[in-house]
Amino acid sequence: QKEVEQNSGPLSVPEGAIASLNCTYSDRVSQSFFWYRQYSGKSPELIMSIYSNGDKEDGRFTAQLNKASQYVSLLIRDSQPSDSATYLCAVKTILTGGGNKLTFGTGTQLKVEL
Amino acid sequence: ETGVTQSPTHLIKTRGQQVTLRCSSQSGHNTVSWYQQALGQGPQFIFQYYREEENGRGNFPPRFSGLQFPNYSSELNVNALELDDSALYLCASSRFGGLLSYEQYFGPGTRLTVT
Repeated sequence: QKEVEQNSGPLSVPEGAIASLNCTYSDRVSQSFFWYRQYSGKSPELIMSIYSNGDKEDGRFTAQLNKASQYVSLLIRDSQPSDSATYLCAVKTILTGGGNKLTFGTGTQLKVEL
Repeated sequence: ETGVTQSPTHLIKTRGQQVTLRCSSQSGHNTVSWYQQALGQGPQFIFQYYREEENGRGNFPPRFSGLQFPNYSSELNVNALELDDSALYLCASSRFGGLLSYEQYFGPGTRLTVT
């Protein structure tokens, strides 16, 4: 079982629709979760972080976390063509040396069609 | 723009050679993490530096090494390059203090091609 799993897509949605991106993780002790957006040929850009069960909203983006089900999701309302990108789910793990690392899924490619 | 810078942008090396990649962290950040991203994959953690010491390492061989300087900038060195080392190398800076660590912000990356 992969540590962080995402559907690779592509997920196609019409402009103005809600895009729903999902992610599951295997480490039950994980406490911090992130969504990054990556345009083709660019580096990942942090768009949301979530630490507690429930919903967190920021503009058109809503992150949802369910630690019991080990599930994180990202909703994008009123999807725009500029939202077309790969969305990476990341889970933070504390390391024995005192540091921390992000473990990423392979990403879901989102295409917003006119 | 995150304020994290990396150099060079692109690099072409031959198998067996050595390479050094550089990263300057965002103002106010004291921790640097390095990741390798192969085409079509998510970034893979290489190691993390805090207070000029490596405080975490992923599943990468010892020929991947790093440094952090007093101004929190960092270098990633890769010896004996292999074809599979071709990837986008990402530096992420963050703030770390006590038991708390904060969000990681990525630089633009260095695209390394090994021929």
